[in-house]
Amino acid sequence: DAGVIQSPRHEVTEMGQEVTLRCKPISGHNSLFWYRQTMMRGLELLIYFNNNVPIDDSGMPEDRFSAKMPNASFSTLKIQPSEPRDSAVYFCASSHSRGGYEQYFGPGTRLTVT
Amino acid sequence: AQSVTQPDIHITVSEGASLELRCNYSYGATPYLFWYVQSPGQGLQLLLKYFSGDTLVQGIKGFEAEFKRSQSSFNLRKPSVHWSDAAEYFCAVGLMEYGNKLVFGAGTILRVKS
Repeated sequence: DAGVIQSPRHEVTEMGQEVTLRCKPISGHNSLFWYRQTMMRGLELLIYFNNNVPIDDSGMPEDRFSAKMPNASFSTLKIQPSEPRDSAVYFCASSHSRGGYEQYFGPGTRLTVT
Repeated sequence: AQSVTQPDIHITVSEGASLELRCNYSYGATPYLFWYVQSPGQGLQLLLKYFSGDTLVQGIKGFEAEFKRSQSSFNLRKPSVHWSDAAEYFCAVGLMEYGNKLVFGAGTILRVKS
């Protein structure tokens, strides 16, 4: 089985540019989570979706961040405009709401904003 | 509020020695509990989970964890550590009233001495 797929794996961009991170969850999973990991703040939940509907976006740091899930097999996290403090590793995870709550993580996207 | 505490930021053990990583949680209901491992540059991998039943659960890579309700703890153990176990370990609690949302501890970095 393919796991959670994220692209790109690495992204380097200049401050002010738009960044789009992509995630394909495990087939059959109906919950999707976006996390951010930094040395200073650890692992933070940004937003999560159930059945393609955003349930909790309280972790989204600012209006510059937005996330969509147009269908069950694809989600995006967009940062516009990007800032150096957005540099982090962004993880996507998926799970099945009728399962045991375990989440399966993708390999992450390392974002560097210069 | 729900929370997970991993009291040890770093732990160093000798290869072949036993290991115990501590985890305490704060949660009003019966918890779903997890341990994840993250190797450098990788995503989080599920080691084991506790939902109900036997309080001693077995996971992958020779790890086990014991749920102790009276102590609100879910400590991770391994009888003999291998150099390849060097990684960061995260404990998490599942919040059933919030769908599949997980709350993670800050992590414990394990170093293995040869």
